[in-house]
Amino acid sequence: NAGVTQTPKFQVLKTGQSMTLQCAQDMNHNSMYWYRQDPGMGLRLIYYSASEGTTDKGEVPNGYNVSRLNKREFSLRLESAAPSQTSVYFCASIIRGGREQYFGPGTRLTVT
Amino acid sequence: GESVGLHLPTLSVQEGDNSIINCAYSNSASDYFIWYKQESGKGPQFIIDIRSNMDKRQGQRVTVLLNKTVKHLSLQIAATQPGDSAVYFCAEIYDYKLSFGAGTTVTVRA
Repeated sequence: NAGVTQTPKFQVLKTGQSMTLQCAQDMNHNSMYWYRQDPGMGLRLIYYSASEGTTDKGEVPNGYNVSRLNKREFSLRLESAAPSQTSVYFCASIIRGGREQYFGPGTRLTVT
Repeated sequence: GESVGLHLPTLSVQEGDNSIINCAYSNSASDYFIWYKQESGKGPQFIIDIRSNMDKRQGQRVTVLLNKTVKHLSLQIAATQPGDSAVYFCAEIYDYKLSFGAGTTVTVRA
């Protein structure tokens, strides 16, 4: 049982490049989330998927898109990366009705 | 903007002493309040939660107190250990979404 896994762990992009962050969970959770964490700040919600087939915007969705590929996988895409998107990105999942979100190890993204 | 915040960004504690980490919130409609611990280079890890209709909840070495009158949440860690050094976040759940505060960095002195 790997929990929540994220790939890649580290990534450096040039401004304007695109990339997709991958997230998968093997706990049969219904809801999945993408957050970003900037220095000295808490996590801010980018997008979430309450259940397979649905996605909704969070607090800071601009510049991002998501895909809930199936119940296990939830990807985050940056179409045209900007330096302001330099951050650590965390994926999380939770079972329906639960309160404990399980987080992945994070992806550290630098945009130059 | 954030509706959950912490009073102090850092806390230094002597090993063996009790730690108290505070948090203020503004959304009275939140269903649950949660404390997370984040160690360096890792994702946040759930510690304990409390439902909005409760005042106190205890776990293993941790106690969470909720004061709805002043919209205040605290986490108490008993007999703080070196392994408790981390960043602690309070968060609230409303409409299936978590909102996090900025975090308190706890450093345990030997």
